[in-house]
Amino acid sequence: GQQVQQSPASLVLQEGENAELQCNFSSTATQLQWFYQSPGGSLVSLLSNPSGTKHTGRLTSTTVTKERRSSLHISSSQTTDSGTYLCAIAVNTGNYKYVFGAGTRLKVIA
Amino acid sequence: NTKITQSPRYLILGRANKSLECEQHLGHNAMYWYKQSAEKPPELMFLYNLKQLIRNETVPSRFIPECPDSSKLLLHISAVDPEDSAVYFCASSPTVNTGQLYFGEGSKLTVL
Repeated sequence: GQQVQQSPASLVLQEGENAELQCNFSSTATQLQWFYQSPGGSLVSLLSNPSGTKHTGRLTSTTVTKERRSSLHISSSQTTDSGTYLCAIAVNTGNYKYVFGAGTRLKVIA
Repeated sequence: NTKITQSPRYLILGRANKSLECEQHLGHNAMYWYKQSAEKPPELMFLYNLKQLIRNETVPSRFIPECPDSSKLLLHISAVDPEDSAVYFCASSPTVNTGQLYFGEGSKLTVL
């Protein structure tokens, strides 16, 4: 089955609103990372957060390892935040692998 | 991000052979090739740790990776197929399975 599930699949916000993105995973993760990808762009690492809460700028990630879930909170959204947010986990099942969720497509309108 | 450079950035091919190149300037031990098809998340193709191939996903045999040294990664593609049209990302991490994953800017392959 799918190891990383993200919700919602898409989200539209008015500029200034907050966003809450969810990531649930089915395997024990030794690493969890949130990425941002603009249309046609590369993946930019936002936060690495395998457990606990981390902040950077307007972003806050909270990961509850035993419940196998992580969230990414974006406060005071801006139009430049529009793009796809991907959650990736590193699993060790004898072979090392980073697995990506399908992403949340965020659109922020002025 | 100039710490992981990829070339070429854009590639249009018929049924030809070509190589993609990647170099990382982060001193990382693990390097990866990912394939991202349209509207899909990246999927791991190959993983090298300290120049050794330790994970070989089930990819078509026309894709052959090469790691000439710990900072460089190549992807040789022969007789491409239309299903190979995608963006190929190189990535690296300090070690296998630990530390953050960093991506290059990608090489967009279009197969005619």
